[in-house]
Amino acid sequence: AQSVTQPDIHITVSEGASLELRCNYSYGATPYLFWYVQSPGQGLQLLLKYFSGDTLVQGIKGFEAEFKRSQSSFNLRKPSVHWSDAAEYFCAVGLKTSYDKVIFGPGTSLSVIP
Amino acid sequence: EAGVAQSPRYKIIEKRQSVAFWCNPISGHATLYWYQQILGQGPKLLIQFQNNGVVDDSQLPKDRFSAERLKGVDSTLKIQPAKLEDSAVYLCASTPARRSTEAFFGQGTRLTVV
Repeated sequence: AQSVTQPDIHITVSEGASLELRCNYSYGATPYLFWYVQSPGQGLQLLLKYFSGDTLVQGIKGFEAEFKRSQSSFNLRKPSVHWSDAAEYFCAVGLKTSYDKVIFGPGTSLSVIP
Repeated sequence: EAGVAQSPRYKIIEKRQSVAFWCNPISGHATLYWYQQILGQGPKLLIQFQNNGVVDDSQLPKDRFSAERLKGVDSTLKIQPAKLEDSAVYLCASTPARRSTEAFFGQGTRLTVV
């Protein structure tokens, strides 16, 4: 069955430090890949997406993600974290079936120490 | 462009009562999703519509949950009767066309069952 895993439930980093959030998926083909961010009480906001082509994808707010087919991974990175980045981050995959289907990982909660 | 609209934002009901949520997707979006997000978890797909037809309701608890999308536009999700474990945020999302898969989310409805 298709699945998305985010191994880190919670991560704490200092402001200004680099960040990497991990995401792995299980699917028979290369899916579409997304990272969403959810701040407390807010809806889900798309950070970036991968459909095809260049495996390093740039997103909003200084985030980037790299697709590695051999590892079935799509890790999110940011070189310098800001306090406002504290939020819940969700990796999601879009399955290439006869209809679009998007499934989400369990999320990683990010705390930022000033 | 207006976003995905959901109402109400918050709802508190007693167990065994019924409740309904409403979603108005972005104009022209053919695909509509309802997700359930329990506190601390990622969104779980409940049902997916393509225009006014259901394409995936495999995770919808059909003994108590129902959903419809009349005329392929607005959608309602109903729970009857509600259980304590239904307490969650119910998210509606839409995508513009087949295989675009970038989902746009509403703010969600936070349901508390007491």
